[in-house]
Amino acid sequence: EADIYQTPRYLVIGTGKKITLECSQTMGHDKMYWYQQDPGMELHLIHYSYGVNSTEKGDLSSESTVSRIRTEHFPLTLESARPSHTSQYLCASSPIGTATYEQYFGPGTRLTVT
Amino acid sequence: AQSVTQLGSHVSVSEGALVLLRCNYSSSVPPYLFWYVQYPNQGLQLLLKYTTGATLVKGINGFEAEFKKSETSFHLTKPAAHMSDAAEYFCAVVGGGADGLTFGKGTHLIIQP
Repeated sequence: EADIYQTPRYLVIGTGKKITLECSQTMGHDKMYWYQQDPGMELHLIHYSYGVNSTEKGDLSSESTVSRIRTEHFPLTLESARPSHTSQYLCASSPIGTATYEQYFGPGTRLTVT
Repeated sequence: AQSVTQLGSHVSVSEGALVLLRCNYSSSVPPYLFWYVQYPNQGLQLLLKYTTGATLVKGINGFEAEFKKSETSFHLTKPAAHMSDAAEYFCAVVGGGADGLTFGKGTHLIIQP
């Protein structure tokens, strides 16, 4: 069973607020990812990290930022939330040095910006 | 760049009938392919994966998929659908940064009693 956690699970917030979505994993995985999933749509990679102090933007442009100060923690921040940020955000992790590229997903955070 | 196409945003089958969910991919390198399932308000759970070797791969919950290079396909099947199979199914290929996944749009599987 994958041990990757996301909080909060649901968040409703007003426009202009700063928010941080938390993601933690206890598997010691080096690689971590954030995906954005709009209703009825595919997931898009918005951020990834190879390890501590490594962060990169993904395929889909996002106004969010991420940090990776500890291996197990990969938070995502929106400085000023807007209704266009309403979406589901999924965090995932994967070990380095395997040939399977399997990713383990958290339960997701469903964000609504009013 | 890698891409994934899932034919049919919704598939409806009767309980006990064959399940067939279609996935075609585009990849400039030998693909690593995955099927994930997503139940309502949950994250993604890995059903099965193809990396190398045997082209018919078996996964959890009775699902299997066959990698066909000549057809660039990786269709998901299950001989007999169960009500608990109702969910969203995503096909994915490795291809993003840090080996991130490129996903298809998903197929919503509906099981009729």
